Amino acid sequence: DQQVKQNSPSLSVQEGRISILNCDYTNSMFDYFLWYKKYPAEGPTFLISISSIKDKNEDGRFTVFLNKSAKHLSLHIVPSQPGDSAVYFCASTLQTGNQFYFGTGTSLTVIP
Amino acid sequence: DAGVTQSPTHLIKTRGQQVTLRCSPKSGHDTVSWYQQALGQGPQFIFQYYEEEERQRGNFPDRFSGHQFPNYSSELNVNALLLGDSALYLCASSSTGADQPQHFGDGTRLSIL
Repeated sequence: DQQVKQNSPSLSVQEGRISILNCDYTNSMFDYFLWYKKYPAEGPTFLISISSIKDKNEDGRFTVFLNKSAKHLSLHIVPSQPGDSAVYFCASTLQTGNQFYFGTGTSLTVIP
Repeated sequence: DAGVTQSPTHLIKTRGQQVTLRCSPKSGHDTVSWYQQALGQGPQFIFQYYEEEERQRGNFPDRFSGHQFPNYSSELNVNALLLGDSALYLCASSSTGADQPQHFGDGTRLSIL
């Protein structure tokens, strides 16, 4: 049973425009949410996170939004750069933070 | 500051064999988690080790076992390998406490023939 879902396997965006990646979860007990970026032949790299007590967290070009009532989070990248081309995974965990549940990933291509 | 390191990077085994994968956590981290990532899928949680004990386990059979050493490094052992065990095995480390991101190594690519 997939508790974290990324329904868009791929996304293409022009350089300089906004990239919006989406993620849905089913477990209302999830308390902490993260986005990871993965390049080929490398492990996932932590990008940004948000606690359930917030609805927005910003770090430079990256902003994560959390809508708890809809069980939905999104990652906005503005402006998108070619180096942002990678697979993006969202992940969620309970308050204990022991087990992270990952989505299946969205492959982002930023076109120069 | 070294991040999470895993060895080996690639491994080829045959069905029925046993394999041991190794992980050194990021400096300052005391918790190690192992994940299996099949092609086209997200990482799936195998188990987590803290204070040399398995703290939580995902939905994986007993053929998958692990160990954590006093220096926080960890091993993942898989017995009686099946073709379906072919995957990328990722190790992640973190600090104890709520709202702590896990930091991943580059993984071990295991191929079963």
